[in-house]
Amino acid sequence: GEEVAQTPKHLVRGEGQKAKLYCAPIKGHSYVFWYQQVLKNEFKFLISFQNENVFDETGMPKERFSAKCLPNSPCSLEIQATKLEDSAVYFCASSQNARTGREQYFGPGTRLTVT
Amino acid sequence: AQKITQTQPGMFVQEKEAVTLDCTYDTSDQSYGLFWYKQPSSGEMIFLIYQGSYDEQNATEGRYSLNFQKARKSANLVISASQLGDSAMYFCAMREATDSWGKFQFGAGTQVVVTP
Repeated sequence: GEEVAQTPKHLVRGEGQKAKLYCAPIKGHSYVFWYQQVLKNEFKFLISFQNENVFDETGMPKERFSAKCLPNSPCSLEIQATKLEDSAVYFCASSQNARTGREQYFGPGTRLTVT
Repeated sequence: AQKITQTQPGMFVQEKEAVTLDCTYDTSDQSYGLFWYKQPSSGEMIFLIYQGSYDEQNATEGRYSLNFQKARKSANLVISASQLGDSAMYFCAMREATDSWGKFQFGAGTQVVVTP
């Protein structure tokens, strides 16, 4: 598609429950990035993929967060045993070629509320 | 360490006036890219403008221009002739070559409110 698609738009989970978010990058884009935005403020980088391979996972809290990008499937970000502090908007972005240094195209985000 | 600094948490600007949003960055890379994004209250991230570290001319896109001062490590966004629809959060961001042109490093953002 011509836009980055993210589902669901909103997700509500009780503390301790699992949350799974999906992202379909723009067709032809090789790179996918996940960011967490808390309270409309700073963005925290989580993880990026080059096709189905992890490109950079330096921002990932690995004990509860995991992510995948499999061929012919939307990418996913999963949070096991959610905590209140995971409440945030999770943005997915895609980029055609990281090395050109050009912009990343952002999806509309998934708002996760942990109660 | 914070790589992108936006010192103005919020600004009011009158319609039709110009506004400058400050952004300073910290990198030892020679090759990097600087970006500005707009985030309206609806939440989406809208790309506004890009400046490459080797670009000699300041970038311009319609009413947006980037005042790039490389020696000062500054990449201020200028919005000319502000409109009510410009009310939004504005983020400055950077990508670096030594980071394999990977993730964005974002600033904390500046909230702009345009008044009639």
